[in-house]
Amino acid sequence: DQQVKQNSPSLSVQEGRISILNCDYTNSMFDYFLWYKKYPAEGPTFLISISSIKDKNEDGRFTVFLNKSAKHLSLHIVPSQPGDSAVYFCAASYWEGAQKLVFGQGTRLTINP
Amino acid sequence: DGGITQSPKYLFRKEGQNVTLSCEQNLNHDAMYWYRQDPGQGLRLIYYSQIVNDFQKGDIAEGYSVSREKKESFPLTVTSAQKNPTAFYLCASSIRGQDSPLHFGNGTRLTVT
Repeated sequence: DQQVKQNSPSLSVQEGRISILNCDYTNSMFDYFLWYKKYPAEGPTFLISISSIKDKNEDGRFTVFLNKSAKHLSLHIVPSQPGDSAVYFCAASYWEGAQKLVFGQGTRLTINP
Repeated sequence: DGGITQSPKYLFRKEGQNVTLSCEQNLNHDAMYWYRQDPGQGLRLIYYSQIVNDFQKGDIAEGYSVSREKKESFPLTVTSAQKNPTAFYLCASSIRGQDSPLHFGNGTRLTVT
């Protein structure tokens, strides 16, 4: 049962344009959402997060949007740069005596010059 | 420079042998975690620890064991009971409490033949 889904395994975007990565979740108990960026053979790097009490959080070129009614979040990267090429994981968190994170399968983003 | 150190980066073992993966952090974080990543899948939680001398099973704990004798260290032992031990193992830590992003090490690639 995949509670967090990233339905696009890959995405290709031209440099300078906007990249939009999507993530859907099923569990209403999730109350904190995160995006991570990962290069091959390295650990994920935390990018940006959003609490369920907000619908938008922005940090430089990265913006995360949360639509609780649709159980959907998205990451916008604008403008996209070649260094943004990586695998992006969304994660959803809930509290059960400890913070538990559930990860999506990842989306491979390729930025073309 | 604070961070999480996992060693070694690559590890090879024969089937039937136990192997211990090291994880050390100097971020002064209370909580530590072990995740496993398989190709095309998200990260799955093996074990986690909120404080020294206490740890809990995650979603896929069978065939693994951990210890938390020091705040800085959270070693993971992959036992011979683990049916599919070949994977990329990631250690993470966070501030204890809700809405705290996890920070990851660079992982250990374990290959068992």
